Amino acid sequence: KAGVTQTPRYLIKTRGQQVTLSCSPISGHRSVSWYQQTPGQGLQFLFEYFSETQRNKGNFPGRFSGRQFSNSRSEMNVSTLELGDSALYLCASSLWAGASSGANVLTFGAGSRLTVL
Amino acid sequence: AQTVTQSQPEMSVQEAETVTLSCTYDTSESDYYLFWYKQPPSRQMILVIRQEAYKQQNATENRFSVNFQKAAKSFSLKISDSQLGDAAMYFCAFETSGSRLTFGEGTQLTVNP
Repeated sequence: KAGVTQTPRYLIKTRGQQVTLSCSPISGHRSVSWYQQTPGQGLQFLFEYFSETQRNKGNFPGRFSGRQFSNSRSEMNVSTLELGDSALYLCASSLWAGASSGANVLTFGAGSRLTVL
Repeated sequence: AQTVTQSQPEMSVQEAETVTLSCTYDTSESDYYLFWYKQPPSRQMILVIRQEAYKQQNATENRFSVNFQKAAKSFSLKISDSQLGDAAMYFCAFETSGSRLTFGEGTQLTVNP
């Protein structure tokens, strides 16, 4: 069973550009969450999607957006990149949205490392 | 708002010995889940162990066990018979709504041969 796949794994952008990251969840998983990991702020929740709807959103500016497609794949977009957006972006999938119970455990991908110059 | 605190930025242990990583949290919720995740150099977050707050019994997964003290809001991880492959950053995490996790700052564990 394939895991959570994130692409690209590494990318370099310059300030002012925009970037789109992709996440393919485990087959059968319908919920996708995104996290940002930086040395200074640690791991922070960005947003969660379930059945193509954003169900939960963290405290990030509107430059950060996402969407989910009918096949549960998700993309996140960051516009007008800033140096501080350099981070590891982690995607996680689970069977459904809602507090963990039984088999509903988050499985993380390997992340997309974004460097903004 | 929920907060998670890991007061040990770094810990080290000798191979085959036991180490305990500390975690405290703050919440007004009564029903929630707590997790320990491991992040090796590959950066992939791996679930180590999970505890449901309404369960009195401490969770155990092979060499990994927790000491969950709900009243004290404490959730420590004990690793027995430490192995070189246990070396990683360990994160304590708290979940309430949806799949939203609040993570602690992390503890970097070094295993010495």
